[in-house]
Amino acid sequence: IQLTQSPSFLSASVGDRVTITCRASQGIASDLAWYQQIPGKAPTLLISAASTLQTGVPSRFSGSGSGRDFTLTINSLQPEDSATYYCQQLHYYPPITFGQGTRLEIK
Amino acid sequence: QLHLVESGGGVVQPGGSLRLSCAASGFTFSDYAMHWVRQAPGKGLEWLAALSYDGNYAYYADSVKDRFTISRDNSKNTLYLQMISPRLEDTALYFCARVGRYQLLYWYYDLWGRGTRVSVSS
Repeated sequence: IQLTQSPSFLSASVGDRVTITCRASQGIASDLAWYQQIPGKAPTLLISAASTLQTGVPSRFSGSGSGRDFTLTINSLQPEDSATYYCQQLHYYPPITFGQGTRLEIK
Repeated sequence: QLHLVESGGGVVQPGGSLRLSCAASGFTFSDYAMHWVRQAPGKGLEWLAALSYDGNYAYYADSVKDRFTISRDNSKNTLYLQMISPRLEDTALYFCARVGRYQLLYWYYDLWGRGTRVSVSS
């Protein structure tokens, strides 16, 4: 299963709302996660099962979608949201696959 | 506090060998499946291998199958990745990750280490 994220790079300002999309090459139900990777650090799980926000993750993050198309939305961007975001599918495995990443820059 | 700490990275020659370790603390290591994931310089995340909580079931990506071996010692709370005959393209930051559900082999990763860097170079 291939996951294609768009855009690859995104630049936005504090307070903006941004959306990142992830498209699967086949339907994967809701078996998708979103991770955030801040430069120099390990990834952290933001959202599982397409829309379940993990404990401790700010509510400005949300996920939606099922089948082939998924979105990660960040409302009211904060400076600490500057990171690369990856989607991951867990419907067909092995192998587990990740999207190529979306780098988010805060202006 | 939950922690995973990788070690064992370094410079290795093509055709050599290297063993990576991942030391776990703060949770019952033997209750969780563990995976290895890597990130080549400037690239995205690539899943490499999965190992069941009891060490009995292992699965590999095609890119490392028959060259890398995942294993664990639950008495030492440690996960390993034995790299045999590494290639230049194996140069990457290697992460271990915990599967976030009790005894499931596959689920999302709720805990990652900070990674250990491997450079394959002659």
